[in-house]
Amino acid sequence: GENVEQHPSTLSVQEGDSAVIKCTYSDSASNYFPWYKQELGKGPQLIIDIRSNVGEKKDQRIAVTLNKTAKHFSLHITETQPEDSAVYFCAASNGGGYSTLTFGKGTMLLVSP
Amino acid sequence: SAVISQKPSRDICQRGTSLTIQCQVDSQVTMMFWYRQQPGQSLTLIATANQGSEATYESGFVIDKFPISRPNLTFSTLTVSNMSPEDSSIYLCSVETGTGAETQYFGPGTRLLVL
Repeated sequence: GENVEQHPSTLSVQEGDSAVIKCTYSDSASNYFPWYKQELGKGPQLIIDIRSNVGEKKDQRIAVTLNKTAKHFSLHITETQPEDSAVYFCAASNGGGYSTLTFGKGTMLLVSP
Repeated sequence: SAVISQKPSRDICQRGTSLTIQCQVDSQVTMMFWYRQQPGQSLTLIATANQGSEATYESGFVIDKFPISRPNLTFSTLTVSNMSPEDSSIYLCSVETGTGAETQYFGPGTRLLVL
């Protein structure tokens, strides 16, 4: 089955800096890659996703890049703010009639003012 | 997206008892999922709940321990049976809205502590 590795497990940045979280996946058939943000005491919130026919997608301060050849994808957050502090999860799905998400282990991002 | 609610939001239970968690969505959805998130860990899929058919369980999860109901397109329940302290986790439901294949939206979770 699919295996998703996520790094780093924790990331501390100063407000205004950029943050990058990286994930690799094992199943070359995977074609959908969402990112979720989970704040303390809440459920995961979808923040951005990318499909295999696209190399990069951007939404304001967040962007995701995908390298299908290398089987890795990354989340980029620019101009970080304290409210960006949370746990971020990447995931991968192989689509099809019965598709499920496989999650990475998560990255705890701490943005210090 | 979809608005998803779960009940209860949290509970403390005694070992050997069972708890039923409810998941309600504000629109009809085809696919609903149940996940477990152990303290400080990632999300692990328990089962996929399809309306009109039996749930599909992932490896390591069985129907006797986690029975699931899906009576209609907006509601599902997960029961955690014969609980032990190892069942202390956050239980999350999610839905696929169909606006984009595989796109899942999560509920707020149910925080369960088993003593």
